Amino acid sequence: QSVLTQPPSASGTPGQSVTISCSGSSSNIGVNYVYWYQQLPATAPKLLIYLNDQRPSGVPDRFSGSKSGASASLAISGLRSEDEADYYCSAWDASLNAFVFGTGTTVTVL
Amino acid sequence: QVSLVQSGTEVKKPGASVKVSCQASGYSFTSYEISWVRQAPGQGLEWMGCISTKHGYTKIAQKLQDRVTLTTDTSTSTAYVELKSLRSDDSAVYYCARGGYEDYSGLDVWGPGTTVTVSS
Repeated sequence: QSVLTQPPSASGTPGQSVTISCSGSSSNIGVNYVYWYQQLPATAPKLLIYLNDQRPSGVPDRFSGSKSGASASLAISGLRSEDEADYYCSAWDASLNAFVFGTGTTVTVL
Repeated sequence: QVSLVQSGTEVKKPGASVKVSCQASGYSFTSYEISWVRQAPGQGLEWMGCISTKHGYTKIAQKLQDRVTLTTDTSTSTAYVELKSLRSDDSAVYYCARGGYEDYSGLDVWGPGTTVTVSS
């Protein structure tokens, strides 16, 4: 079972903003970097955010990440239809000595 | 450009083994770790482990430690994951990705995935 907890779903209309939370613990998010991945239907995941709040080149600045204590968030502003996807947070867990992923959040653009 | 190419679909019987390959191109293979992530049908992502392509060190998820072997062939820039004693709940899409524990840039390049089906 996943160690990082995310809401199962989030939604918004085009142009709105959506925020996805990721709750962890002192052994993962609390002491390590957070990463976010986007998975479009039937495709491989894609790195969206690394080192808590950094965007790889090519990722629009509509996507932003933040971290506070043992929790993290991904914000999507100016929602677009192509943002419909599953989003996963991830972090290294020092107790498990393994990467852990969040439960995943499905974003729907209404 | 940087890419990871994976081997094709596998169908195996329970108790058998499977070995999936992942060939890297477009970058220096030994400069990044390779991680393996799997996704069962309709489920989330599960990290399986990672391997240092330079030194061969591995970190493997505890629940898979007795059944998973990660290896590399630096002469062909190829990484492998072998899973033994297959069970039906090992049916999943298996992804390789560039990056791992020591690569703070995250899993920044992913292979297309290899579907493994375990069925009698």
